[in-house]
Amino acid sequence: KQEVTQIPAALSVPEGENLVLNCSFTDSAIYNLQWFRQDPGKGLTSLLLIQSSQREQTSGRLNASLDKSSGRSTLYIAASQPGDSATYLCAGPLSGGYNKLIFGAGTRLAVHP
Amino acid sequence: NAGVTQTPKFRVLKTGQSMTLLCAQDMNHEYMYWYRQDPGMGLRLIHYSVGEGTTAKGEVPDGYNVSRLKKQNFLLGLESAAPSQTSVYFCASSYSTFRGSNYGYTFGSGTRLTVV
Repeated sequence: KQEVTQIPAALSVPEGENLVLNCSFTDSAIYNLQWFRQDPGKGLTSLLLIQSSQREQTSGRLNASLDKSSGRSTLYIAASQPGDSATYLCAGPLSGGYNKLIFGAGTRLAVHP
Repeated sequence: NAGVTQTPKFRVLKTGQSMTLLCAQDMNHEYMYWYRQDPGMGLRLIHYSVGEGTTAKGEVPDGYNVSRLKKQNFLLGLESAAPSQTSVYFCASSYSTFRGSNYGYTFGSGTRLTVV
């Protein structure tokens, strides 16, 4: 059975810290992995998509990596800011194609001044 | 602004009532999806559509029906609501092929449904 797990479930840090959010998955045949951001009461916003051939993707202060052999992806947030406070979800492709996604439960991040 | 629009944003239903959630996208995406989000769990796929006139079951389809009569619209129906269907429902859409750096996955802002 496909599963996606995120650790930790919640994180509270002071502004300026560098953070690592973890995502693990059971499907070794995964060919890409996406990270999304969700603000309270809002929908999800796509942050990064890493293809299995890339191993790493960067967007501003965000860097995401993918290691299929270990079944893990990490989202690195550099120099965190209060505006980074949100829930971060990772998602891999659900079997059967058509860009269907299987999600982790998310990491709820709070960055305080 | 281009995106995915869901209506309504909030709804309270009594057990046994029916309702339809509406989703519209203006990005000419081929694929559309309905997910539900429950506390402490990731989003789970209810139904999806790969084109006008087509629908298919996702992970948790029981108790729901869908229709996609026009490419830009994807409707989710609850025929006889149950308390277990209390959840936040998200519609999403994407391209069928890779464009630039991703598939253009876009979510609506959600519908919070409570069944009493």
